[in-house]
Amino acid sequence: EAQVTQNPRYLITVTGKKLTVTCSQNMNHEYMSWYRQDPGLGLRQIYYSMNVEVTDKGDVPEGYKVSRKEKRNFPLILESPSPNQTSLYFCASTQAPGLSNYGYTFGSGTRLTVV
Amino acid sequence: RKEVEQDPGPFNVPEGATVAFNCTYSNSASQSFFWYRQDCRKEPKLLMSVYSSGNEDGRFTAQLNRASQYISLLIRDSKLSDSATYLCVVNPPGGTSYGKLTFGQGTILTVHP
Repeated sequence: EAQVTQNPRYLITVTGKKLTVTCSQNMNHEYMSWYRQDPGLGLRQIYYSMNVEVTDKGDVPEGYKVSRKEKRNFPLILESPSPNQTSLYFCASTQAPGLSNYGYTFGSGTRLTVV
Repeated sequence: RKEVEQDPGPFNVPEGATVAFNCTYSNSASQSFFWYRQDCRKEPKLLMSVYSSGNEDGRFTAQLNRASQYISLLIRDSKLSDSATYLCVVNPPGGTSYGKLTFGQGTILTVHP
């Protein structure tokens, strides 16, 4: 089954404790992206990657890092989480960004709480 | 002005009703357009792409008006299972916005018996 897999689904952590949210896709997509969703603010892009070793900032990159060492994996790293990073996070991938025929496939989401 | 604007609703309609959602976008050079559906606390799922010529998928019809920078979604014969948040999504032109989806706030639909 074609899918984007995120882990963990739920995470509660303390301020300053480094964490990684994993994302893996099995569709051989080149483009991957991370979004966060907050009430009243909708979905906002954190980082994206157009291919292996090619990453760039989205709208809200502060406090986050990413890496793309392999095509299928795109982990999101919070080096020193803070309470304002409490949010619902989604990883997404697509075969061809910018083309109407190709939508994005989203992972099931990671609900992160930083206390 | 927000890049993508939707009426947040909520829309409460009875089963069998026809309901229409509207969306406007600010970047006239935007290239592709979508409607996504999101159930409570779950991931957005692609409902349909939106083409200039208009397109239909069963009970769902999407329209795009590039001149007015306006997108619509029509749902006919609403089902209880259509209850969800509907997200208008725009893919802006390339450059620094390459591949970035811009989401509207979403329109909440509740279909009741």
